Amino acid sequence: EDQVTQSPEALRLQEGESSSLNCSYTVSGLRGLFWYRQDPGKGPEFLFTLYSAGEEKEKERLKATLTKKESFLHITAPKPEDSATYLCAVQALSGYALNFGKGTSLLVTP
Amino acid sequence: DAGVIQSPRHEVTEMGQEVTLRCKPISGHDYLFWYRQTMMRGLELLIYFNNNVPIDDSGMPEDRFSAKMPNASFSTLKIQPSEPRDSAVYFCASIRLAGGSNEQFFGPGTRLTVL
Repeated sequence: EDQVTQSPEALRLQEGESSSLNCSYTVSGLRGLFWYRQDPGKGPEFLFTLYSAGEEKEKERLKATLTKKESFLHITAPKPEDSATYLCAVQALSGYALNFGKGTSLLVTP
Repeated sequence: DAGVIQSPRHEVTEMGQEVTLRCKPISGHDYLFWYRQTMMRGLELLIYFNNNVPIDDSGMPEDRFSAKMPNASFSTLKIQPSEPRDSAVYFCASIRLAGGSNEQFFGPGTRLTVL
């Protein structure tokens, strides 16, 4: 059975303090690994899709990397507006549904 | 584009009542997904459609839940009868694979409270 585990559950950072979020996964054939951002009361907002081990993608202060067992979302010099819940999801070759982890709640304080 | 549209945004009902949630996907998208989010279980797939045909309904909890997609612009998720454990946020998402992107666009969600 496909499984996605995110850690830590919650993370508090000072503005400018870089860190990484982890997403460990098991899947029977990976089509893609997705990162989403979710703000309170809103739907998930797409950030990245990674398709193969070794792939990296960047967007502003965020960088996502992928290995055969896990993905990292690196946040460089975060700002308070980066505060949100970050969700990781895997998509198996067998279909197009996303299997989500429970997310990491990030709080960046000034 | 207006994005994925869901209605209502909030629904409060009493146990035993019928609840219908509605979704309008992004125009031109050929896949539509229904997910449910709770604190305990996170975000889980309920069912998804391709070109209005249900492909995977393995996440539908039980016979009280049903989903339809009568045309490319509209889908409903119905719960009858509703129970307090159905309280959650229900999201609809859509993608257009023919466009070469696998990105799922999510709607704002419907927050359902069953008393």
